[in-house]
Amino acid sequence: QSALTQPASVSGSPGQSITISCTGTSSDVGGYNYVSWYQQHPGKAPKLMIYDVSNRPSGVSNRFSGSKSGNTASLTISGLRAEDEADYYCSSYTGSTTWVFGGGTKLTVL
Amino acid sequence: QVQLVQSGAEVKKPGASVKVSCKASGYAFSTNNMHWVRQAPGQGLEWMGIVDPRGDSTNSAQKFQGRFSMTSDTSTNIVYMELYSLTSEDTAVYYCGKDGQHYNVDYWGRGTLVTVSS
Repeated sequence: QSALTQPASVSGSPGQSITISCTGTSSDVGGYNYVSWYQQHPGKAPKLMIYDVSNRPSGVSNRFSGSKSGNTASLTISGLRAEDEADYYCSSYTGSTTWVFGGGTKLTVL
Repeated sequence: QVQLVQSGAEVKKPGASVKVSCKASGYAFSTNNMHWVRQAPGQGLEWMGIVDPRGDSTNSAQKFQGRFSMTSDTSTNIVYMELYSLTSEDTAVYYCGKDGQHYNVDYWGRGTLVTVSS
């Protein structure tokens, strides 16, 4: 199972919006509405930000939103803040009780 | 609150095996599967496998099949993962993560650093 494809880096200024893409295949992202997004600050464990493509866990800011079109999922962060600077990973269920992660995207807040 | 407490860092020689534990609390241990995910230095997350604590039913990524096992002990609420025939490429932080029942990991342990070096 190959890793999902994410851009290595994205950047934005405070207050702006950014979008991170996550491209897979019809066997993972395109085949299931089970895409999740995780935020990871340096030296910390990942944190769930979005599940089932577009749902936010309790406590996650509504500045974070998710969507999917075909084999590509997207995470949008609006109203960028300095604390949003982190690595972001997408993940998809791939069937038969297996999962795959994306390669990760480093978000820089300028 | 949900807590996943992992065992401490390990240093192993090539060819050895390592066993990492993950003690869960704050939720009904038997009703949620546990994932194992690793992260090599400076690299991304890599899904390794999942274990059902109720009966040790497991599934793992094809890459690890044959040298990776996961077990659980419902009397102590601990899940274990063991990786065999270690090489330097297995140097990584190993995370356990509670399955969120929405095909995600909703809580994560702090990670266990495993270093493989001669």
